[in-house]
Amino acid sequence: SAVISQKPSRDICQRGTSLTIQCQVDSQVTMMFWYRQQPGQSLTLIATANQGSEATYESGFVIDKFPISRPNLTFSTLTVSNMSPEDSSIYLCSVVGGGGGYTFGSGTRLTVV
Amino acid sequence: QKEVEQDPGPLSVPEGAIVSLNCTYSNSAFQYFMWYRQYSRKGPELLMYTYSSGNKEDGRFTAQVDKSSKYISLFIRDSQPSDSATYLCAMRSARNDYKLSFGAGTTVTVRA
Repeated sequence: SAVISQKPSRDICQRGTSLTIQCQVDSQVTMMFWYRQQPGQSLTLIATANQGSEATYESGFVIDKFPISRPNLTFSTLTVSNMSPEDSSIYLCSVVGGGGGYTFGSGTRLTVV
Repeated sequence: QKEVEQDPGPLSVPEGAIVSLNCTYSNSAFQYFMWYRQYSRKGPELLMYTYSSGNKEDGRFTAQVDKSSKYISLFIRDSQPSDSATYLCAMRSARNDYKLSFGAGTTVTVRA
């Protein structure tokens, strides 16, 4: 299965600033997914990122707040913009594996103060 | 009503016990069912992947899917302290968007 390197693993940011999270996959993948995991809650899909096209955002998530880049088939970034304490969460990227299951990055634990 | 409901736990069991985890869902289009294990400060790790109804066994883990009841289960036999983690069920339809719907997770502690 694919191996994903996600960074940073954690960060503490000031409100109003932005943070860019990176995910590097060790193989080419068509679709990459970005999730948010809030304490005690399900993983929530933010958007699906396909190479060569704009990301598709889920209800409640907008491009201005969570811009995504997908410059090639092994890399993607998610930016959390103009952060507020409500953005404190774990952010995860994911890809579909060859066997149908999904592989996740190790997550970025974001705290906004 | 959430699309996927998972028994919230937490569960605390003695070493060697059988752990039983369950999820129910409302979307009859779900065809692919997964269980993930997530250790603290780590990303989810795929444990079991099944298609449609039936049972699947892998070592100490057994996954069951009952589509008629919209109910899936994960059993862990001979539980070990290393099984202490949060377990997440996830599922998706056959649509090409590959979107997963997750349960909220059940935290399991296996006491030595």
